[in-house]
Amino acid sequence: KAGVTQTPRYLIKTRGQQVTLSCSPISGHRSVSWYQQTPGQGLQFLFEYFSETQRNKGNFPGRFSGRQFSNSRSEMNVSTLELGDSALYLCASSLSSSYGYTFGSGTRLTVV
Amino acid sequence: QQQVKQSPQSLIVQKGGISIINCAYENTAFDYFPWYQQFPGKGPALLIAIRPDVSEKKEGRFTISFNKSAKQFSLHIMDSQPGDSATYFCAARGNAGGTSYGKLTFGQGTILTVHP
Repeated sequence: KAGVTQTPRYLIKTRGQQVTLSCSPISGHRSVSWYQQTPGQGLQFLFEYFSETQRNKGNFPGRFSGRQFSNSRSEMNVSTLELGDSALYLCASSLSSSYGYTFGSGTRLTVV
Repeated sequence: QQQVKQSPQSLIVQKGGISIINCAYENTAFDYFPWYQQFPGKGPALLIAIRPDVSEKKEGRFTISFNKSAKQFSLHIMDSQPGDSATYFCAARGNAGGTSYGKLTFGQGTILTVHP
């Protein structure tokens, strides 16, 4: 059984650019969540999607957005990148919010 | 009220010893408490989880102790091995219908080093 797949694994972008990260959940999982991990702030919740609907959102600016497709795959987008957006972005999937979450290996975003 | 406080920040244990990591929370609407293990370059991996109607859960060498009245829970790693050296995170998730449903609130993490 394949795990949660995140692409790309590494990304380098310039300030002001935008970026799109992709997440393919475990087959059959309908809930997808995104987290940002930094040494200073730790793991912080970005948003959660279930059946293409955003059900919960963390305290991040509107530059951070996401969506989920009918096949449960999800993307997150960050516009007008800032240096502080450099982080490991993690995607987690679950059968539903009542079950445990399985994380992917993340996308390491570096903004220069 | 959404915080989960984790201690210690780092822990050094000898092989065969017991590692203990503690977490405390404030939000009584949390209803699911998982522990994650993370190795460098990898995403967090679910280790063990507990719900507040249970005071203890054991899986192999890993045990969660849960104290609902004190709003605290802890992870015990028995017979610690060098391969257990990793960063451990506690987390909590809000119950259905609440504003935190579907969202994991994480502790700051504990770097565990097990010396051979």
